[in-house]
Amino acid sequence: AQRVTQPEKLLSVFKGAPVELKCNYSYSGSPELFWYVQYSRQRLQLLLRHISRESIKGFTADLNKGETSFHLKKPFAQEEDSAMYYCALKSGYGQNFVFGPGTRLSVLP
Amino acid sequence: DAGVTQSPTHLIKTRGQHVTLRCSPISGHKSVSWYQQVLGQGPQFIFQYYEKEERGRGNFPDRFSARQFPNYSSELNVNALLLGDSALYLCASSPSPGQGSYEQYFGPGTRLTVT
Repeated sequence: AQRVTQPEKLLSVFKGAPVELKCNYSYSGSPELFWYVQYSRQRLQLLLRHISRESIKGFTADLNKGETSFHLKKPFAQEEDSAMYYCALKSGYGQNFVFGPGTRLSVLP
Repeated sequence: DAGVTQSPTHLIKTRGQHVTLRCSPISGHKSVSWYQQVLGQGPQFIFQYYEKEERGRGNFPDRFSARQFPNYSSELNVNALLLGDSALYLCASSPSPGQGSYEQYFGPGTRLTVT
């Protein structure tokens, strides 16, 4: 079965500290992994996808197939990073995304 | 473009009733997906429609149905409402389910409360 887990419901860090939001998945095929973010009073939006291997707003995520993980990292957190973060797995053709329960990141001043 | 729009914003229904939620995709987008987000959980995939045909279905009972119109807007229908159907219903549009299909843009959602 396809499943995405995010073990932390809430993660609080101080401004300037490194941050890592954990994501693990279970999927029998070749997965496509994504991170979505929802800022306060805004819509859910794509942050990054593993295939592009890019850094968005200082965030990176590496797909580790051996550990079935796709952790989101940023070396120096900013207050504007405070938001809800969802890890998502896209399976098969089309828009069948499986989302994790989300982690609320709070960056303290 | 206002982005993906959904109506109504909020809705209160009684158990046993039915409800219709509406979604208008971004201009030029031909694919619409529906998600249910229960409080404290991530979005859960319900349906995907492309070119008026169902292209994907999540693990939801037959009380849930949807359709897509020639202008690519979509409706989600839920019959015989249960208390557990209370959730935020999200619509997302994308250009097509093919190449670049990860590019889905979410609407603001419709908050459904079943009493």
